[in-house]
Amino acid sequence: DAKTTQPNSMESNEEEPVHLPCNHSTISGTDYIHWYRQLPSQGPEYVIHGLTSNVNNRMASLAIAEDRKSSTLILHRATLRDAAVYYCILRDPGGGADGLTFGKGTHLIIQP
Amino acid sequence: DADVTQTPRNRITKTGKRIMLECSQTKGHDRMYWYRQDPGLGLRLIYYSFDVKDINKGEISDGYSVSRQAQAKFSLSLESAIPNQTALYFCATSDFSQGPLPNTQYFGPGTRLTVL
Repeated sequence: DAKTTQPNSMESNEEEPVHLPCNHSTISGTDYIHWYRQLPSQGPEYVIHGLTSNVNNRMASLAIAEDRKSSTLILHRATLRDAAVYYCILRDPGGGADGLTFGKGTHLIIQP
Repeated sequence: DADVTQTPRNRITKTGKRIMLECSQTKGHDRMYWYRQDPGLGLRLIYYSFDVKDINKGEISDGYSVSRQAQAKFSLSLESAIPNQTALYFCATSDFSQGPLPNTQYFGPGTRLTVL
């Protein structure tokens, strides 16, 4: 399975943009890039996903490199509620197992 | 969000005991999953079910069994609990009826299990 590499932790200030990087140099042509986050004492929640083009939704933006070997999750204006562990996950929609493969993720710390 | 509920939320048990964790969903999704999370690590897939008649093993199924009693209910059992099964357990659901994308998974609040 293609793997992802993320920094263990990042720190940012409230109301500033946050760029969370993810490297996936062995990504296949059919892998989608998904991001989930896990708030303290909660289950993970879906954030965003994409294949080749940059994507925006109400929670975040996803910027995907042209060669697809890396991507960046962008929180445009971080709040204290965005403090969480962020997971970058590759999924092949045609794959049989269908479960999500979580790494250790990036622990995002937001300073007031 | 109470669409995916798990019971109990916390459980302390002893080595060798049988224990069942239950998951219920009101989202009407066809697929359900059980994951475990160990401290400082990501989640690992234990079992998943595509529908009531379709159960599949995940990455770490040894020592666990599951039952899909209905579309809305998916239970995880530890037949004889051991201390290294102490972990956070999460249930999740997804809706495949609209196709394989994005197949977003929705997670319950988790069950904290301690095996002494």
